[in-house]
Amino acid sequence: DIQMTQSPSTLSASVGDRVTITCRASQSISSWLAWYQQKPGKAPKLLIYKASSLESGVPSRFSGSGSGTEFTLTISSLQPDDFATYYCQQYNSYSLTFGGGTKVEIK
Amino acid sequence: EVQLVQSGAEVKKPGESLRISCKGSGYSFTSYWISWVRQMPGKGLEWMGRIDPSDSYTNYSPSFQGHVTISADKSISTAYLQWSSLKASDTAMYYCARYEQQLVGSGGFVDYWGQGTLVTVSS
Repeated sequence: DIQMTQSPSTLSASVGDRVTITCRASQSISSWLAWYQQKPGKAPKLLIYKASSLESGVPSRFSGSGSGTEFTLTISSLQPDDFATYYCQQYNSYSLTFGGGTKVEIK
Repeated sequence: EVQLVQSGAEVKKPGESLRISCKGSGYSFTSYWISWVRQMPGKGLEWMGRIDPSDSYTNYSPSFQGHVTISADKSISTAYLQWSSLKASDTAMYYCARYEQQLVGSGGFVDYWGQGTLVTVSS
């Protein structure tokens, strides 16, 4: 199975900060990567697919980049609603795998 | 409107059996695969397996193979996750999720999730 490693596991930031989360795959997954946001007690929400395509309705402050084995999710200016946990997920193979998650906390 | 509606929370004892469900509506149920995803308390997301509702073909994560069964009844647009003998370690939130296969041999990104079913296993 393809392993996905996210860093950092926790991130403390302030409103207005630029935030970057990294996801590394154990082998090349081309651009078959998605990013999700999850808030406590809620199902995850799709933010980005195919590494850099913004899901409809998602604010443009969210962006994704990368290909192969290294990927990033960037929030250009952190908003109060963005404090949550973020997960990457590869879909290069039919066996999906998620990263361990990055919790974005208020500094 | 696309919806995946899951069955309600369950409290079971170790060794008991359980089947939880996920009903799709607002789209062609057989056009998207359904996966089940586990989230243990305070932990991350784990892919358990998937089913193609059009032919009920399944794949499982090695971590869950043999311990759970995924099935679907396309006549009522419903997918199921089943245990024959629950363990305390099965206590978790379980989400169903739909996605479209992107390429032959690949999976997909999840565009709709169920609301989750909390399963508690305790003696």
